[in-house]
Amino acid sequence: NAGVTQTPKFQVLKTGQSMTLQCAQDMNHEYMSWYRQDPGMGLRLIHYSVGAGITDQGEVPNGYNVSRSTTEDFPLRLLSAAPSQTSVYFCASSYRTDFNTETQYFGPGTRLLVL
Amino acid sequence: AQSVAQPEDQVNVAEGNPLTVKCTYSVSGNPYLFWYVQYPNRGLQFLLKYITGDNLVKGSYGFEAEFNKSQTSFHLKKPSALVSDSALYFCAVRAFNDMRFGAGTRLTVKP
Repeated sequence: NAGVTQTPKFQVLKTGQSMTLQCAQDMNHEYMSWYRQDPGMGLRLIHYSVGAGITDQGEVPNGYNVSRSTTEDFPLRLLSAAPSQTSVYFCASSYRTDFNTETQYFGPGTRLLVL
Repeated sequence: AQSVAQPEDQVNVAEGNPLTVKCTYSVSGNPYLFWYVQYPNRGLQFLLKYITGDNLVKGSYGFEAEFNKSQTSFHLKKPSALVSDSALYFCAVRAFNDMRFGAGTRLTVKP
C-alpha cells in the first residue's frame, strides 16, 4: 500500500491564482480530511469527508473548496490564492466513519507559498 | 468546542533521562486523545491513543501516556530518551467529526 499520497510536494503561486492540491489513499478509508499547519498553531482542520459525495467544513474552511467523487481521492481547491494561505497542507484518512476512536494516517504534506 | 493545550514550546532532555511532554484537554463528553510525532519535512506519525480503559496507554517506540481525568491531562512519557526521539510532538483530541491539535512541543534530546 502507498498509504496517503499528496501532490505536489511544493508549489509557488501568485496572489489570485487557483490550484488544486491532490490527495489519494489506497486503504479504502471512509474518512478523509485536510489540515493546514502553521508555526505555533499546530494543525487546523479545513474540510473533511465521511464518504464519497459527503463533505463538511472544519475549523478554517474559508478560501478552500473540496469534493469527494470517489473513496480514494479528496482534492483541495484554492480558487483565488492569498498570501494568508501560505502554509503546509496535510491530507489524512481513517478507516471508519466512527472516527472519534480511529487513528488518522497522514500524507507527507504539500508546502504552498503564495506571493 | 474541544481543545488541547501544550504548555511547553520546547523540552530539552539528556539522552538516557526520562522525558515528559505535557498536554491538557478540554472536551464535553468522553475524551478521545491522541499523540502524534512529526520528524522534519515529514507528515505526522501516530504514537498512541486513549479511548477508554486503562489510564496508562503504551504506544510506539517505547512511548506511553498517562490519562488523568481529574486533571484533564494526557502527558506523554518515555523512561529513557534517545537522540532519535528529537522531533515535534502533537497532542490532539477528537470529537464530533472534528479533531483539534495542540500547538506542538519540540523535543530535543542531547547526547
